[in-house]
Amino acid sequence: QLQLQESGPGLVKPSETLSLTCTVSGDSINSDSYFWGWIRQPPGKGLEWIGSLSYSGNTYYNPSLRNRVTISMDTSNNHFSLRLNSVTATDTAIYYCARQYYLLLSFAWFDPWGQGTLVTVSS
Amino acid sequence: DIQMTQSPSTLSASVGDRVTITCRASETINTWLAWYQQKPGKAPQVLIYKASTLETGVPSRFSGSGSGTEFTLTISSLHSDDLATYYCQHYKTYSLAFGQGTKVEI
Repeated sequence: QLQLQESGPGLVKPSETLSLTCTVSGDSINSDSYFWGWIRQPPGKGLEWIGSLSYSGNTYYNPSLRNRVTISMDTSNNHFSLRLNSVTATDTAIYYCARQYYLLLSFAWFDPWGQGTLVTVSS
Repeated sequence: DIQMTQSPSTLSASVGDRVTITCRASETINTWLAWYQQKPGKAPQVLIYKASTLETGVPSRFSGSGSGTEFTLTISSLHSDDLATYYCQHYKTYSLAFGQGTKVEI
């Protein structure tokens, strides 16, 4: 059964870099059937797509975050990672990783999701 | 960028009620739409994809319809376990966005 687990610091200082890892078990992240994505949710608010990563390493980012985000993969350890630079308090959120289905012309819906990890930006 | 707008933002209903949530896209997205359920303190779970295809294991009281710019999620008979926030999400041509969510209160 596929499982995803987010890990990383729960507290990041303003202007620093947020780094999270999603460890995947039960499937290979370089399977050509899926993409892999990051989504976040500020406390009490809605969902925001951060970006997606293809099995071949191609990346697609939310335009509103593109200049601060990097998503990468480590196939030897079967995990993928998120880096978000120059964080502020508005980046405080629950960060989820998820497997993403892939259709002929686009990536698609997310299933399943990790349990999420709360990252707080504060000095 | 395609914007997704859900209505209503909050919905109060009783057990057994038929519930309908609407999602509108700012431009046509064919049927490239998914619906998620997020229960309090939990990660979202997909209910429906391709606008009307029910995910395996999801109760048949959930259904989705629509194409183009207007979509609906219907719960035919509300159960107490359906207390949750529901989100739509488009996935057109290597971009995606979520609606702002609809909170269903029992």
